[in-house]
Amino acid sequence: EVQLVESGGGLIQPGGSLRLSCAASGFTVSDNYMTWVRQAPGKGLEWVSIFYSCGGTYYADSVRGRFTISRDNSKNTLYLQLNSLRAEDTAVYYCASGEGYCSSTSPMDVWGKGTTVTVSS
Amino acid sequence: DIEMTQSPSTLSASVGDRVTITCRASQSISSWLAWYQQKPGKAPKLLIYDASSLESGVPSRFSGSGSGTEFTLTISSLQPDDIATFYCQQYNSNSPTFGGGTKVEIK
Repeated sequence: EVQLVESGGGLIQPGGSLRLSCAASGFTVSDNYMTWVRQAPGKGLEWVSIFYSCGGTYYADSVRGRFTISRDNSKNTLYLQLNSLRAEDTAVYYCASGEGYCSSTSPMDVWGKGTTVTVSS
Repeated sequence: DIEMTQSPSTLSASVGDRVTITCRASQSISSWLAWYQQKPGKAPKLLIYDASSLESGVPSRFSGSGSGTEFTLTISSLQPDDIATFYCQQYNSNSPTFGGGTKVEIK
């Protein structure tokens, strides 16, 4: 069964750091693009970052310079390092995947259930 | 970045009604558009891809159309299980973007 399972969320103070993980099963993360999408409480979906099969990475303007996406092929796992966290980063963070070597020429057809990040003092 | 604008933001309709949601892109995205359904507390679910292709297992009352900058999602006969928020998403660029969402309610 194709599955994505996120972990690593929690309550963190402003300015703090957190690392989210997304473990894949049923497929190989290096064969697909892997992406993070977040949803603030009561708000819509916001794309955060993407890691393409070819190794290319991209970020939304709102997180560029603070968040870092990475992939461990040996663990078949995607990561998102969150630094310099702000209250506006509070959200459910979803991991998703789709087909695409160096561009996203396909939709996000597999989604995890999400992990919640709360930034508050 | 490509901006995606959905309308309406909220829609109230009766069971059995035909429902249409519109999505506009700030520049041409060819047919690189997907529609997702999200129910409260759940992850989004892919309904339509490549603007008009129905994802496997999705009821045939859902359909998509359009190309370039104008797209629509149609539910031919609204069912109680369709109550959710719907999002369009472009995947024409290296930085995907979502529309603001359309919440569908039962009248």
